[in-house]
Amino acid sequence: GENVEQHPSTLSVQEGDSAVIKCTYSDSASNYFPWYKQELGKRPQLIIDVRSNVGEKKDQRIAVTLNKTAKHFSLHITETQPEDSAVYFCAARTGAQKLVFGQGTRLTINP
Amino acid sequence: GAVVSQHPSRVICKSGTSVKIECRSLDFQATTMFWYRQFPKQSLMLMATSNEGSKATYEQGVEKDKFLINHASLTLSTLTVTSAHPEDSSFYICSVNGDTGELFFGEGSRLTVL
Repeated sequence: GENVEQHPSTLSVQEGDSAVIKCTYSDSASNYFPWYKQELGKRPQLIIDVRSNVGEKKDQRIAVTLNKTAKHFSLHITETQPEDSAVYFCAARTGAQKLVFGQGTRLTINP
Repeated sequence: GAVVSQHPSRVICKSGTSVKIECRSLDFQATTMFWYRQFPKQSLMLMATSNEGSKATYEQGVEKDKFLINHASLTLSTLTVTSAHPEDSSFYICSVNGDTGELFFGEGSRLTVL
């Protein structure tokens, strides 16, 4: 089955700097790659996603890049703000419609 | 999108008892719902896929007789944790695939087994 690896597990950046989180996946048939932000005790919230026919997507300060050949995708957050502090999860969806999550990255923005 | 509601949000029970968690798709008919479990400081792990009108599909390592799933209608799936033990304490979250493929999550149910 699909296996998603996420790095780093923790990330600390200064406010205003950029943050990058990387994920790799194993199943070449996976075709949908969302990123979720989860605050303590709450449900995950979708922040951006990309499909296999698109290499890059941007939404204001957030962007995702996908390299299908290498089977990896990355989340980029620019001009980070304290409210960006949270746990971020990448995920990949297989043809069976199941979403498999990465291990998560705890992002801390230092003021 | 889809609005997914989960109940209860928190439940505390004694070891050996059973607990039922409900997941409702409020504005979307869901033939399939997904149940995830999240232990503290860990990722979301898929437990099972709930299929309306048929048996759920369980992931490897998940005991189907312990985690009973019923999906009797297009808007309701239930997860019953039978004979709960402290190691079952976790955050249980259901989800629904929207019509554009996005996954919508319920609020989650935090189970504490004493």
